[in-house]
Amino acid sequence: GDSVTQMEGPVTLSEEAFLTINCTYTATGYPSLFWYVQYPGEGLQLLLKATKADDKGSNKGFEATYRKETTSFHLEKGSVQVSDSAVYFCALRNIQGAQKLVFGQGTRLTINP
Amino acid sequence: EAGVAQSPRYKIIEKRQSVAFWCNPISGHATLYWYQQILGQGPKLLIQFQNNGVVDDSQLPKDRFSAERLKGVDSTLKIQPAKLEDSAVYLCASSSPTVSSGNTIYFGEGSWLTVV
Repeated sequence: GDSVTQMEGPVTLSEEAFLTINCTYTATGYPSLFWYVQYPGEGLQLLLKATKADDKGSNKGFEATYRKETTSFHLEKGSVQVSDSAVYFCALRNIQGAQKLVFGQGTRLTINP
Repeated sequence: EAGVAQSPRYKIIEKRQSVAFWCNPISGHATLYWYQQILGQGPKLLIQFQNNGVVDDSQLPKDRFSAERLKGVDSTLKIQPAKLEDSAVYLCASSSPTVSSGNTIYFGEGSWLTVV
């Protein structure tokens, strides 16, 4: 079945550092790919998405590019802030079947001032 | 536009007791999802509704979990009897395949369950 694998956390960085969180997937067909963010005590919020190969999703300084050849969707940000501290989830949604979201295990990110 | 509403936000019960969670999706969203998020893990789909019909309940522990969406709008998820391993956040989400929303899935803030 479809699955998503994220780099294990937790990840701790200093403010203004460069961030990469790796995400790879296994799926039949051509899924859409997503990054969701969960701030402490809150629900999941969509951060960015890409629906086809070579698409780049971006939001709030975060970017991720849909790489079909490497089945990856790595999240990047050039300069992180303390307010970026959260748990980040990579997910896929297959256009075939029930179209449910399949999530990775999440990566906890802590940014120190 | 109002988001996905869930209640209660927090619940503590003893094992073998029952609990019910309520969800009201975004207005007009035909598809409703219940996910279970255990601490340190990604959310796992429990059940998906399309209007008032079940699309996928393959990972719902049917001996103790039940869910309904009788009028195709709001939904209730029930656990009876609860076990310690049911301690988790229960997330409700909804979506609609319209041009404006792009079929994006929107999540509520979750109902946090602790079973003691």
